[in-house]
Amino acid sequence: GQQLNQSPQSMFIQEGEDVSMNCTSSSIFNTWLWYKQEPGEGPVLLIALYKAGELTSNGRLTAQFGITRKDSFLNISASIPSDVGIYFCAGQRGTSGSRLTFGEGTQLTVNP
Amino acid sequence: DGGITQSPKYLFRKEGQNVTLSCEQNLNHDAMYWYRQDPGQGLRLIYYSQIVNDFQKGDIAEGYSVSREKKESFPLTVTSAQKNPTAFYLCASSRTGANTEAFFGQGTRLTVV
Repeated sequence: GQQLNQSPQSMFIQEGEDVSMNCTSSSIFNTWLWYKQEPGEGPVLLIALYKAGELTSNGRLTAQFGITRKDSFLNISASIPSDVGIYFCAGQRGTSGSRLTFGEGTQLTVNP
Repeated sequence: DGGITQSPKYLFRKEGQNVTLSCEQNLNHDAMYWYRQDPGQGLRLIYYSQIVNDFQKGDIAEGYSVSREKKESFPLTVTSAQKNPTAFYLCASSRTGANTEAFFGQGTRLTVV
């Protein structure tokens, strides 16, 4: 099955720094979702995007649905230690209950 | 509370035995999914179901089986035919249609000993 290209694979940053990660695909998606997963837990939905060009914020998190509908970006501002985890993008192509395609994740480490 | 419940959290199985992982949701979602996650990797789709009594194979269905007799429940059986079953298994559910969001359970870590 198709995987989204998510980058970077890992990031090591200092507390207070901003973080940016992205997902790209050769296919068009109608929905982009961003999840965070902590060790031993299921992914938790952070932000959902439904329209090309849409920019949505959730606290210190901001995500954008790329205008070409083939990419999406997630930014985290002023990182804190509890931001540590794996961040996944997911895309949905169809309009009728079609399955999600996931990126391979970005492992974020925040040093205090 | 509304949500998705997976049980058990940890499961140990002897090689050659079948084992069934439970997934229950009370979100009234039509669609349910099973994913497998290996260390340092993303999520791979095993099976999914968009309606009761119907399900489709995902990308890595070999060695697995599912049933969807009730809307709330989507159990996954890891059979002895699965060559490398040790992994973290995640169940999710969503509404069907456009602009849907999938919500995940807490996962079951299966270890074959």
